[in-house]
Order: sequence, then structure tokens, then C-alpha cells
Amino acid sequence: AQSVSQHNHHVILSEAASLELGCNYSYGGTVNLFWYVQYPGQHLQLLLKYFSGDPLVKGIKGFEAEFIKSKFSFNLRKPSVQWSDTAEYFCAVTLPFMDTGRRALTFGSGTRLQVQP
Amino acid sequence: AAGVIQSPRHLIKEKRETATLKCYPIPRHDTVYWYQQGPGQDPQFLISFYEKMQSDKGSIPDRFSAQQFSDYHSELNMSSLELGDSALYFCASSPFLGENTEAFFGQGTRLTVV
Repeated sequence: AQSVSQHNHHVILSEAASLELGCNYSYGGTVNLFWYVQYPGQHLQLLLKYFSGDPLVKGIKGFEAEFIKSKFSFNLRKPSVQWSDTAEYFCAVTLPFMDTGRRALTFGSGTRLQVQP
Repeated sequence: AAGVIQSPRHLIKEKRETATLKCYPIPRHDTVYWYQQGPGQDPQFLISFYEKMQSDKGSIPDRFSAQQFSDYHSELNMSSLELGDSALYFCASSPFLGENTEAFFGQGTRLTVV
């Protein structure tokens, strides 16, 4: 079955540490890739997206992600985290439904990031 | 720019009651998606509509139904509510979600079943 995997469920970092969150998907066709952030009790906010072109994409708040097609990965990075980055991070991929071929976003299970001051 | 509007933002219902959540997509978006996010969970796809017709179904319980109206707004109807239905319900809209398009999310409706 097509799926999205986030292997880091809970990450604890100190301020100024570097961050890398893993995301892998299982689908051999063309995909669009997204990272969302969700602060406690709030809605999803788009951090960045990849459609095509340069596999290194930059998003808001100093985040970036690299699409490695051969590894089916789209890892999120930030060189220096801040306390305000404490949130849940979701990787999402547009995957097609087998019967209709239409697409919807499939989310990974999320990574809870806790940044300690 | 107009965004996806969901109403109400918060809803408290008792067990076995019914609830109706509404979603107003971005103008000219023809596709609406509903997601359910339980506490500490990732958003789970429930159902989608394309051009006012049901497009795809995910993990939507039989107690739930949804439709998209002529003005493209959508309603999620939930009956015989259970405690486990307490969750954040997101609606998203997009132009046809093929390659190089994205879905835009509303701020969600937080449903609490007591």
C-alpha cells in the first residue's frame, strides 16, 4: 500500500541545535511533497512544498527540505532551531487513489519536536 | 486572499447527538477534502468531493455522511456521536489535485463529544 513514513516520533533538541526530520514515501510515480507544522491546538500551516525542479526547497521560518528521488525521501532540515519551533511536524504526499486515480494528501504520523531553551 | 472557511470553530455535543460541520472552499476550487485528526494523531483522510460529486472515500465511519452543494460548500454530517469522534476536523480545498497543485486547509472544527 502507498504510505508516508516519519521515523522520528519525538525529537528533543536544545536551542541552536540543528534539526533533520526524516520522511519517506512508497510510490513509484510522480508525487508532490509537503511539510506542515502544527502548533499545539492549532491548524496545519504549510512550511514548504516540492513540485518539480531544484530538489532543495526553502520554506518559511528558515526551514528547507531535500527531495531525493532515488531514496523516496523528503527530509526536513533547519540549521539552528529556536524554542518557538516546538510543534508537531507532518510530512505529506499527494498519492493517487487506486480506483479513481485522483489524488489526496496522505500524511505521515508526525514528529513532535520539543526545543529546550 | 480568500481562504478555506470552516464553521463552527468549536463544537461540544453529547453522545448519540448529531453534528454538522461546514466548509467553504476557496473560490474556483472544485475539490474539497475532509480530514479527521484525533488527539496526538496524524490527519486521516475521510472523504473528498470533486465537482459536487463524491470522489474518494477514506476511513469515514458509516455514521458520517457528507455532500457538496451547488455553491461548492461542503457539509460533514455526523450522527450517533461517540466519545471517540472527539477530534479536530479539517477541510481542505484545491483545484483538481493533480501534479503541481496543492490543497489549502481551513483552521478546523474542534469537536468535543461528552
